[in-house]
Amino acid sequence: GDSVTQMEGPVTLSEEAFLTINCTYTATGYPSLFWYVQYPGEGLQLLLKATKADDKGSNKGFEATYRKETTSFHLEKGSVQVSDSAVYFCALRVNDYKLSFGAGTTVTVRA
Amino acid sequence: GAGVSQSPSNKVTEKGKDVELRCDPISGHTALYWYRQSLGQGLEFLIYFQGNSAPDKSGLPSDRFSAERTGGSVSTLTIQRTQQEDSAVYLCASSLSSGPGNTIYFGEGSWLTVV
Repeated sequence: GDSVTQMEGPVTLSEEAFLTINCTYTATGYPSLFWYVQYPGEGLQLLLKATKADDKGSNKGFEATYRKETTSFHLEKGSVQVSDSAVYFCALRVNDYKLSFGAGTTVTVRA
Repeated sequence: GAGVSQSPSNKVTEKGKDVELRCDPISGHTALYWYRQSLGQGLEFLIYFQGNSAPDKSGLPSDRFSAERTGGSVSTLTIQRTQQEDSAVYLCASSLSSGPGNTIYFGEGSWLTVV
């Protein structure tokens, strides 16, 4: 079935470091792809999305490009801040209503 | 409302008791979802409502779990005879409609602990 595999954490970085979280997917069709973020003590929030191949989603300095040829949707940020410490989930839209999530990657940014 | 609202935010219950978790979706959203987030299992889909009907209940783990939605708005997830393995965060989400163009918005979750 459709599924997502994302980089295991935890990831610990210093402020202003470059962040990459790898995400690859398996799908029979052409799913929409998402990154959700969960800050400490808060619910899941949509960070960015891409609905078709070569689309780039971006938000809050984060970017991810939908790569059909490598079935990937890696999340990147050029200079992280302490406030980016959170759990990041890659997800794909399996059908009209169901999301399949990766296991989540915990990111901690040190000052 | 401004976002998806869930209650209670935290619930501690004794094994064997029944619990009800409530979800208020974003106003006007016809699609509503329940997910469960637990250690070792990640985020699991439980059930999907379109209006008041549930076309997909495939993720409900056992017949102790049930959910309903009334008036095309509020939904209640009920867990009967709770077990320790039911301890998890239960997330409700909604979207304007189903379909790939509709963003799914999540609530902050109901943290359930079964002791």
